[in-house]
Amino acid sequence: GENVEQHPSTLSVQEGDSAVIKCTYSDSASNYFPWYKQELGKGPQLIIDIRSNVGEKKDQRIAVTLNKTAKHFSLHITETQPEDSAVYFCAAPISSGSARQLTFGSGTQLTVLP
Amino acid sequence: GAGVSQTPSNKVTEKGKYVELRCDPISGHTALYWYRQSLGQGPEFLIYFQGTGAADDSGLPNDRFFAVRPEGSVSTLKIQRTERGDSAVYLCASSLMGQPLEQFFGPGTRLTVL
Repeated sequence: GENVEQHPSTLSVQEGDSAVIKCTYSDSASNYFPWYKQELGKGPQLIIDIRSNVGEKKDQRIAVTLNKTAKHFSLHITETQPEDSAVYFCAAPISSGSARQLTFGSGTQLTVLP
Repeated sequence: GAGVSQTPSNKVTEKGKYVELRCDPISGHTALYWYRQSLGQGPEFLIYFQGTGAADDSGLPNDRFFAVRPEGSVSTLKIQRTERGDSAVYLCASSLMGQPLEQFFGPGTRLTVL
């Protein structure tokens, strides 16, 4: 099955700086890579995703890059704001069974310091 | 539009009791997923429904866990003879049939087994 490793587990940045979170995956057949933001007491919110036919995708201050050869993908947040503080999870699809499962990383607690 | 809703938001029960957790997916989403999230971890897959049938229940930890979706919309996760180790946040997600991996999560039910 898929194994997704995420790092760092915690990240503190000054407001206005950039933040980068990295994930590696094991299944070369994986073709979809979402990022979720989870605030305290809430469910994960899909913030951006990328499919394996592109190397980078941007949406305002957030971007995701994918390196299929190295089997890793990264979330980039620029001009960070205090409201970006949350736990961020990467995920990748498991290729066995119904192929509808997502395997999640262990999360990164991002703190943006004002 | 309305997102995924889950009830109750919190459930406290005693060891050995039976509990039911409810999920109401986004209207028009035919796929429904249950995940379990332990403290400090990413969500872990439990079961996936396509319509009324459970297409993949490989994530259910044992036979005390069961889920139904009788009319292809609302789903109920049922846990018998609860154990303290069942304490976690139970998350529900839904997706469109054509985009099964683009999953949208509800706020979760926090289950505490005393």
